[in-house]
Amino acid sequence: KQEVTQIPAALSVPEGENLVLNCSFTDSAIYNLQWFRQDPGKGLTSLLLIQSSQREQTSGRLNASLDKSSGRSTLYIAASQPGDSATYLCAVRGDDYKLSFGAGTTVTVRA
Amino acid sequence: DTGVSQDPRHKITKRGQNVTFRCDPISEHNRLYWYRQTLGQGPEFLTYFQNEAQLEKSRLLSDRFSAERPKGSFSTLEIQRTEQGDSAMYLCASSLGGRGQYFGPGTRLLVL
Repeated sequence: KQEVTQIPAALSVPEGENLVLNCSFTDSAIYNLQWFRQDPGKGLTSLLLIQSSQREQTSGRLNASLDKSSGRSTLYIAASQPGDSATYLCAVRGDDYKLSFGAGTTVTVRA
Repeated sequence: DTGVSQDPRHKITKRGQNVTFRCDPISEHNRLYWYRQTLGQGPEFLTYFQNEAQLEKSRLLSDRFSAERPKGSFSTLEIQRTEQGDSAMYLCASSLGGRGQYFGPGTRLLVL
């Protein structure tokens, strides 16, 4: 069974600092990995999708890397803003199409 | 493209009652998924459909839960004889083939 772990569970930084969120997974036989953002009481917003053959994806201030062999992904958010405050979830997809999620990292960016 | 929609957004019910949730996927997406999320946890997979066929069900989906996707369009998730432990956010997602999954706003269920 795929196990996904996100460290740290919570993070508080001053505005402007870069954020580094970590995700690890136990089974390296993944099809892709997605990073999501979730605001309190809301659904999930897809941020980045990395296929298993890719090493990284970038979108604006966001960059995600994937090291499939070691079972790790990192989400970098440059120059954080208070609007970046949310919970960030990592999810991996195997051949069976279902996503396995970590418990998330809750980020607070202080103005 | 209006995204994935779910109805209702909130539901409060008494223990023992039946509830039904609806999900409308992104129109061209052939796969539809249901997940359940409890406070402080990541979503957990419940079941998924390819077109109208239900292809996999999690062990989390007890006999009180049933899901349908008639005609391969919208889907419904019904919970019979609700229990307090069913209180959670129920999330629906859709995808086109093996591409990324896109989630709806969720239905928050509270069982009193």
